[in-house]
Amino acid sequence: DQQVKQNSPSLSVQEGRISILNCDYTNSMFDYFLWYKKYPAEGPTFLISISSIKDKNEDGRFTVFLNKSAKHLSLHIVPSQPGDSAVYFCAAQKGAQKLVFGQGTRLTINP
Amino acid sequence: GAGVSQSPSNKVTEKGKDVELRCDPISGHTALYWYRQRLGQGLEFLIYFQGNSAPDKSGLPSDRFSAERTGESVSTLTIQRTQQEDSAVYLCASSLGGAQETQYFGPGTRLLVL
Repeated sequence: DQQVKQNSPSLSVQEGRISILNCDYTNSMFDYFLWYKKYPAEGPTFLISISSIKDKNEDGRFTVFLNKSAKHLSLHIVPSQPGDSAVYFCAAQKGAQKLVFGQGTRLTINP
Repeated sequence: GAGVSQSPSNKVTEKGKDVELRCDPISGHTALYWYRQRLGQGLEFLIYFQGNSAPDKSGLPSDRFSAERTGESVSTLTIQRTQQEDSAVYLCASSLGGAQETQYFGPGTRLLVL
């Protein structure tokens, strides 16, 4: 029973264009959502988060959108840069409990 | 300030041996989490500490796995009688411990059981 799903294993985007990564969840008790970026042989790096009481959070080139009725969130990166190439994980949390992760999306930015 | 640190960074062991993995959380972080990522799989939760207590151990895969935390700081994850399926990257994260507090991850320990 996968509570957090990232249905696209990979995504390829041209440099300078917008990258949109998607994530769906099933547990309506989740109240905090996060995106992490992961390079090979490193731990996940926190990118951006959003509380369930909001529908948008922006930090520089990164924006996360939350649609609670659809149980869907997305990460927008604009403009995309070659250094953004990595695996991106969506995660959800209830209170201070464990993070539940999606399977990840490998983003490749092409020059 | 210093982030989460883990040691060793890599560990190769023989099947049946015991291993200890260490995590030093960010100073002042009361919550500490262990996760692992096996090859080709996602990140799976193992155990969560709030202070020195573990309110959620539901992710520990078997009784060969145990963890402790002392002084509301360092945590050790112990795997007894290691098996090949224990090979994974073991990740530690810490947070301030309240609701909606971000978890910050260490670099991980890569464990290979031969």
